[in-house]
Amino acid sequence: EAAVTQSPRNKVTVTGGNVTLSCRQTNSHNYMYWYRQDTGHGLRLIHYSYGAGNLQIGDVPDGYKATRTTQEDFFLLLELASPSQTSLYFCASSDVGGISQNTLYFGAGTRLSVL
Amino acid sequence: GDSVTQKQGQVTLSEDDFLFINCTYSTTTYPTLLWYVQYLGQGPQLLLKVTTANNKGISRGFEATYDKGTTSFHLQKASVQESDSAVYFCALDTNAYKVIFGKGTHLHVLP
Repeated sequence: EAAVTQSPRNKVTVTGGNVTLSCRQTNSHNYMYWYRQDTGHGLRLIHYSYGAGNLQIGDVPDGYKATRTTQEDFFLLLELASPSQTSLYFCASSDVGGISQNTLYFGAGTRLSVL
Repeated sequence: GDSVTQKQGQVTLSEDDFLFINCTYSTTTYPTLLWYVQYLGQGPQLLLKVTTANNKGISRGFEATYDKGTTSFHLQKASVQESDSAVYFCALDTNAYKVIFGKGTHLHVLP
């Protein structure tokens, strides 16, 4: 079964702070995604990537950068954190075109609070 | 553009009640329609998948059906249990390498 590990699980920072959220998947999936989950908005796509060095812009990218350093590792960067970025962040991976037919496998999430 | 609408924000039922959650979608493609479930403290996980070819999916007592004419799809279960308490997301996979999620329905089942 797909394994996606996020760290840290919880993070508190101040406005203007610098935050990096990490995600690692160990199933050789091509695609990786960052979503944020907020009440009343569901899951919204921030950025995604189809391989090391690749980055695609999602639906709510403002204020976020991302980097895919290897097939396994995908990072989300908040360089000047704002209170509006307080949220629950999920990383996911998928094996597009593979046996799992585009199923998303999610990590357990990182809860970020920006004070 | 592609979109999915899930209007029921919260549903409260008693054990053995019937569950029905509806979503509507808009797309110009031939989509795959999905239901994800998120239990407390966990990430979402795939519950059911319905394609335009099969019209119906069944898993863990849940059934999802799809109506191309009304561009809607719904999730139902004949008899819910307390362990079914979770957030249920409908989602649209347009085969464009990203999935669009609805806002989620928080199901609370009373014992």
